[in-house]
Amino acid sequence: DAMVIQNPRYQVTQFGKPVTLSCSQTLNHNVMYWYQQKSSQAPKLLFHYYDKDFNNEADTPDNFQSRRPNTSFCFLDIRSPGLGDAAMYLCATSRDRGQRVYEQYFGPGTRLTVT
Amino acid sequence: TQLLEQSPQFLSIQEGENLTVYCNSSSVFSSLQWYRQEPGEGPVLLVTVVTGGEVKKLKRLTFQFGDARKDSSLHITAAQPGDTGLYLCAGGVRAAGNKLTFGGGTRVLVKP
Repeated sequence: DAMVIQNPRYQVTQFGKPVTLSCSQTLNHNVMYWYQQKSSQAPKLLFHYYDKDFNNEADTPDNFQSRRPNTSFCFLDIRSPGLGDAAMYLCATSRDRGQRVYEQYFGPGTRLTVT
Repeated sequence: TQLLEQSPQFLSIQEGENLTVYCNSSSVFSSLQWYRQEPGEGPVLLVTVVTGGEVKKLKRLTFQFGDARKDSSLHITAAQPGDTGLYLCAGGVRAAGNKLTFGGGTRVLVKP
């Protein structure tokens, strides 16, 4: 089945220790997103890639970086995690065909704990 | 900037009761998606509505898109404990590119 996969599902890191979360997709979608979600709130968009073009949200801290080496994979790097970065991180994909339907498909998420 | 307001924020009901979740905006959306998210998991797409006045049914769930494409509702008939979760509405519009505007979410708890 075509899907969005996130690894690991649970990640524990120490305060200030760099961490990388990964996302892969078999949907062949050209747009990939990273969201941060805290305590039953709506997901908050950090950035997205439209093909290879990186689009950062204005309020995303510099501490968060991303890489998309190819269509299928996307990584979220947190350079120096703080306690406030503990959250669920969600990867999502969509296909832009110039249509007026804006569906996104989410992975299962990575729960990040910062100790 | 588009905003989506969801109500209520939290709903606790007994198994077998009905419930309705609302998603309202002053902006027009090209499409509106409803997601359900269970604890510890990612949101799962339930339905997409595109046409004003559209009604879609998914078993016991009925989704409606307002005539002006500014609001939507989700109605669950005879709720079951398996319907428990966070329900999110999200709207898309061409001016926002490929980004979605999310409502604040409605936490639904169905007690057996």
